[in-house]
Amino acid sequence: GEDVEQSLFLSVREGDSSVINCTYTDSSSTYLYWYKQEPGAGLQLLTYIFSNMDMKQDQRLTVLLNKKDKHLSLRIADTQTGDSAIYFCAESGATNKLIFGTGTLLAVQP
Amino acid sequence: DTEVTQTPKHLVMGMTNKKSLKCEQHMGHRAMYWYKQKAKKPPELMFVYSYEKLSINESVPSRFSPECPNSSLLNLHLHALQPEDSALYLCASSQDGRVAGNTIYFGEGSWLTVV
Repeated sequence: GEDVEQSLFLSVREGDSSVINCTYTDSSSTYLYWYKQEPGAGLQLLTYIFSNMDMKQDQRLTVLLNKKDKHLSLRIADTQTGDSAIYFCAESGATNKLIFGTGTLLAVQP
Repeated sequence: DTEVTQTPKHLVMGMTNKKSLKCEQHMGHRAMYWYKQKAKKPPELMFVYSYEKLSINESVPSRFSPECPNSSLLNLHLHALQPEDSALYLCASSQDGRVAGNTIYFGEGSWLTVV
């Protein structure tokens, strides 16, 4: 079955880079997504990457995909306190459903 | 306008009540979704409507009843809920029912407490 795993917690200092990691099992995944959820809010799509790409950059965000190892990462440059949130990776594969990871809580210390 | 609007934001209901959650989008999307999210957990898919027809029901108990009156509106009717149904209910929409390559936009959610 499909499984998406993330580490539960990451703490960084303001101005540092954050790297949030995700592993998945479905080799038929076509798109992989990163969503951000601030406290008490819905999910905001940050970015997504097609499975035939290995990198995508969007302003402070860099997504790296290692398809061989089924490993996805999200790098946030110059992390700010407003980046504090839960980050979910998600993949869409054979089932035509979004499969979410367990979520990583990013805490940014001033 | 990339908004999915959900009402009410907060709802407290008794186990014998009947209430509804509402969702609206004006992006011309033809697929709409209901997800349930418990604290500190990822969202879980409940229902998918594609072109106003129910296409996926993830074995959700019948005390949750979805309705899609038109392509812009999605309701979730609630009846005889249990305290364990207390959660954040998220509505989402996308261009069509194909997940891959489609951006799925989420609303802010409705916080439901069953007492």
